[in-house]
Amino acid sequence: AQSVTQLGSHVSVSEGALVLLRCNYSSSVPPYLFWYVQYPNQGLQLLLKYTSAATLVKGINGFEAEFKKSETSFHLTKPSAHMSDAAEYFCAVSQGNNRLAFGKGNQVVVIP
Amino acid sequence: EAGVAQSPRYKIIEKRQSVAFWCNPISGHATLYWYQQILGQGPKLLIQFQNNGVVDDSQLPKDRFSAERLKGVDSTLKIQPAKLEDSAVYLCASTDFGTGNYEQYFGPGTRLTVT
Repeated sequence: AQSVTQLGSHVSVSEGALVLLRCNYSSSVPPYLFWYVQYPNQGLQLLLKYTSAATLVKGINGFEAEFKKSETSFHLTKPSAHMSDAAEYFCAVSQGNNRLAFGKGNQVVVIP
Repeated sequence: EAGVAQSPRYKIIEKRQSVAFWCNPISGHATLYWYQQILGQGPKLLIQFQNNGVVDDSQLPKDRFSAERLKGVDSTLKIQPAKLEDSAVYLCASTDFGTGNYEQYFGPGTRLTVT
């Protein structure tokens, strides 16, 4: 069965510093991979997705992620953190029928 | 385009009571999902509908949870009777496979507290 692992439930980053959130997946077939963001009391919003095209994927709000098959990873990065990036971030994998398996999430805190 | 609508946004009930949640997906989206998100965890799929048919309900606790999607549009998720461990946010999502988009669009969720 497909699954994703996100380490470190809380991530603190200084404003202007690099944001790096790690995601490793387990899948028996080529996966589709997603990063979602969730702001307080809101639903999930798609940041970006990998669906077997370019391995470097650019998303909204300056985020990007790189699919590395050899490392079974899909880490999310943003060069410079803004206060507005404070939220919870979820990595998810899909193998078929568009059913998503989510990681436990990373709560990002941005320090002024 | 209107997003996925859910109601109520918040609900507090006592254990052993019943509760129902409503979801209206994006117009034209044939696939609808219900997820349960317990505090500190990622969403877990409960049930997936394609039009008004169930595609996957393997993780739905069928002794207490039920869901329906009459006419292939709106959906209702019910819990009867509720337990303390059902306290969570219940998210509804929809997608349109026909576009090849693979994105699921989420509603704001219903936060259930069982006391």
